[in-house]
Amino acid sequence: QKEVEQNSGPLSVPEGAIASLNCTYSDRVSQSFFWYRQYSGKSPELIMSIYSNGDKEDGRFTAQLNKASQYVSLLIRDSQPSDSATYLCAVEGYSSASKIIFGSGTRLSIRP
Amino acid sequence: DAGVIQSPRHEVTEMGQEVTLRCKPISGHDYLFWYRQTMMRGLELLIYFNNNVPIDDSGMPEDRFSAKMPNASFSTLKIQPSEPRDSAVYFCASSLPGISGNTIYFGEGSWLTVV
Repeated sequence: QKEVEQNSGPLSVPEGAIASLNCTYSDRVSQSFFWYRQYSGKSPELIMSIYSNGDKEDGRFTAQLNKASQYVSLLIRDSQPSDSATYLCAVEGYSSASKIIFGSGTRLSIRP
Repeated sequence: DAGVIQSPRHEVTEMGQEVTLRCKPISGHDYLFWYRQTMMRGLELLIYFNNNVPIDDSGMPEDRFSAKMPNASFSTLKIQPSEPRDSAVYFCASSLPGISGNTIYFGEGSWLTVV
């Protein structure tokens, strides 16, 4: 079992709709969770981080964390063509503090 | 502020040659990470350092790979000898963990092609 799993996609969403990206992780005591966006040919850049169960909102982005289910998600409201990218979920373990493992990413395509 | 700086940005080398990738982390950051990204395997953690000391090198694929951090502002990842399957983008990243967690910042990557 991979430590961090994501559906590779591609996920196609019409412009203006909500895009929902999901991630599961295997280390039950993981502490910190991150969503990164990566455009083709570029390096990953941080969108959001979340540490507590529940929702965290930042503009059009909402991260959701459920530690009991070992599940973290990212919602993008009012999707724009500029949101088309690969979204990487990352997890920081507790047993290996500061060791940050990434999922393989979900390709998101926003169709006009 | 300057971000993570990597060099070279692109390198094409022949199989069997030595490759050295370089990284300057963000000033003040005490963690440095080396990742490798390929289409097949995604973004893999190779090794990371804390205060110049290697903490976990379990991701280094084999003895052909080595990494050093002689001081807080410089790290190298060396492949000797290189093989075509080493072709990938190698990212260096750095962080300064705090009460808000451990956000890592990536360099622009070194695109390696071994022919």
